[in-house]
Amino acid sequence: GQQLNQSPQSMFIQEGEDVSMNCTSSSIFNTWLWYKQDPGEGPVLLIALYKAGELTSNGRLTAQFGITRKDSFLNISASIPSDVGIYFCAGRINNNDMRFGAGTRLTVKP
Amino acid sequence: EPEVTQTPSHQVTQMGQEVILRCVPISNHLYFYWYRQILGQKVEFLVSFYNNEISEKSEIFDDQFSVERPDGSNFTLKIRSTKLEDSAMYFCASIQDRANTEAFFGQGTRLTVV
Repeated sequence: GQQLNQSPQSMFIQEGEDVSMNCTSSSIFNTWLWYKQDPGEGPVLLIALYKAGELTSNGRLTAQFGITRKDSFLNISASIPSDVGIYFCAGRINNNDMRFGAGTRLTVKP
Repeated sequence: EPEVTQTPSHQVTQMGQEVILRCVPISNHLYFYWYRQILGQKVEFLVSFYNNEISEKSEIFDDQFSVERPDGSNFTLKIRSTKLEDSAMYFCASIQDRANTEAFFGQGTRLTVV
């Protein structure tokens, strides 16, 4: 199936540190998306990637769509306390559905 | 800014009861989805809906589940006979069209089956 493997499962970092998380799959995706979920809220889109090799930034966030179209990473630079939450990758193939990774739970210590 | 709205925000139901979760997608969106998230776990795809019919469903979406767009505005998820393991957050999402890949999610409905 269209399984996404996201790692790490959780991260505990100090404020100011950089963070990196990634997703891999055995399937090829045409779109990679990164979402953040705050407690009790729905996922909110952070970055969308549409082309293999694409590198996109959104403030302190940078994400890349892997050349093989089977992976993507998300970096957060200079983390701050409000970065706390669960980050999900999601991939879409040639249909209308998204498949989500299991999430990376980020904790930022002041 | 347009948003996806879900009601209720929290529903408690007895095992075996039917529940209907309601979603109002963004008005010009054409593709609709339900996802489930058991507490602390990953977001799981349930079903996608386009042109008044299901376009794809997961293995979770068994005969106990159904979806409907009864009036061109609401998009509902019905669980006929709830089980304890149906307790989860249920998220509705919508996408404008096939060319646009940004899905907008509602705030979710927390379903608790007791």
